[in-house]
Amino acid sequence: DAGVIQSPRHEVTEMGQEVTLRCKPISGHNSLFWYRQTMMRGLELLIYFNNNVPIDDSGMPEDRFSAKMPNASFSTLKIQPSEPRDSAVYFCASSLNRVSSEQYFGPGTRLTVT
Amino acid sequence: GESVGLHLPTLSVQEGDNSIINCAYSNSASDYFIWYKQESGKGPQFIIDIRSNMDKRQGQRVTVLLNKTVKHLSLQIAATQPGDSAVYFCAETGAGRRALTFGSGTRLQVQP
Repeated sequence: DAGVIQSPRHEVTEMGQEVTLRCKPISGHNSLFWYRQTMMRGLELLIYFNNNVPIDDSGMPEDRFSAKMPNASFSTLKIQPSEPRDSAVYFCASSLNRVSSEQYFGPGTRLTVT
Repeated sequence: GESVGLHLPTLSVQEGDNSIINCAYSNSASDYFIWYKQESGKGPQFIIDIRSNMDKRQGQRVTVLLNKTVKHLSLQIAATQPGDSAVYFCAETGAGRRALTFGSGTRLQVQP
């Protein structure tokens, strides 16, 4: 298996633009997680899905952020409009079931909003 | 709020020495703990986990110790190698909670 796949690996955009990050979880995994990592705040959970259904989105910073999982093999995290403070590395992770099992992380998307 | 934290932000060791990375957690209901390793430019990588019904678990060159009385977790790396240089995170969750809470991380630097 190729592991969790994220695209793009790097994204540079101007403030106000829409940004869409993509994730393909490991086949057979039922849970998918979106994290954001910054120097100031460390690794934060934004949202997680179980069987394609959003379970906990309490970490989503504000309405500018939205996430979808239309099927078991694909998820998106969208920021609209983007702001400089959204600059971070965004990780997607998947696990076999819920939280109490090993989460496999993707390589991350480094987002820079200027 | 409840949180997971690390005592030492940076740990420098000599190659071949043993390393100990510590982590404190505050939620007494936490019952599952994981250590992750993150190398520069990569996502966190699972190292070892432990459940609250255990106080020690060993892997290859790594041992995790859990002291529930003082809510403390440690990761021991035997015969530390240059390839062990990375940032190490502890993470925890518990019954009824749905998310892993990550600590702030400790950077391990292995000197040749």
